[in-house]
Amino acid sequence: AQSVAQPEDQVNVAEGNPLTVKCTYSVSGNPYLFWYVQYPNRGLQFLLKYITGDNLVKGSYGFEAEFNKSQTSFHLKKPSALVSDSALYFCAVSPSGTSYGKLTFGQGTILTVHP
Amino acid sequence: SQTIHQWPATLVQPVGSPLSLECTVEGTSNPNLYWYRQAAGRGLQLLFYSVGIGQISSEVPQNLSASRPQDRQFILSSKKLLLSDSGFYLCAWGEGSDTGELFFGEGSRLTVL
Repeated sequence: AQSVAQPEDQVNVAEGNPLTVKCTYSVSGNPYLFWYVQYPNRGLQFLLKYITGDNLVKGSYGFEAEFNKSQTSFHLKKPSALVSDSALYFCAVSPSGTSYGKLTFGQGTILTVHP
Repeated sequence: SQTIHQWPATLVQPVGSPLSLECTVEGTSNPNLYWYRQAAGRGLQLLFYSVGIGQISSEVPQNLSASRPQDRQFILSSKKLLLSDSGFYLCAWGEGSDTGELFFGEGSRLTVL
């Protein structure tokens, strides 16, 4: 069975500094990896995904993520954080093969960007 | 463009009462539909998914059920709510491919008292 770990419950950064939100995964076969963001009392918004190809994936709102197969990681990054980036971030995995589009999510990481 | 709607947004129900949460998708045909529950504002647990009308797969044993009476309608129900059913319920749709992202509704917050 597939699983996703987000080792940090919370990440705090100052506005303008780079940010990293960590994610590691465990899945048999090739993984399809996703990042979502959730603002309070809202649904999840899709940020980016890795399917194949370039290990560095660019997504919405200036976010990017780096796929590292040897470390089974897919960390979310942004060169310069904004206060408005403060939210709950989820990493998710869909294993290759027939999974009917189901995603397995990590527990989430609360990102707080301080002015 | 595709949109997904969930209602009600907020619901407070007594223990033992029934539940019906509805989700509809517009702008696409034959989507895969999903119900997730988010407890304590953190991790998401997949409850049900559906690949077509009348086709429901349950991921975890529980007090809830789901139905898909129409192509773009997905309903989450319970005959008798438990305290442990409280949570934030999220409906999502996807194209059903392993590489496709899911698109989520705004959620329904259920409090069982």
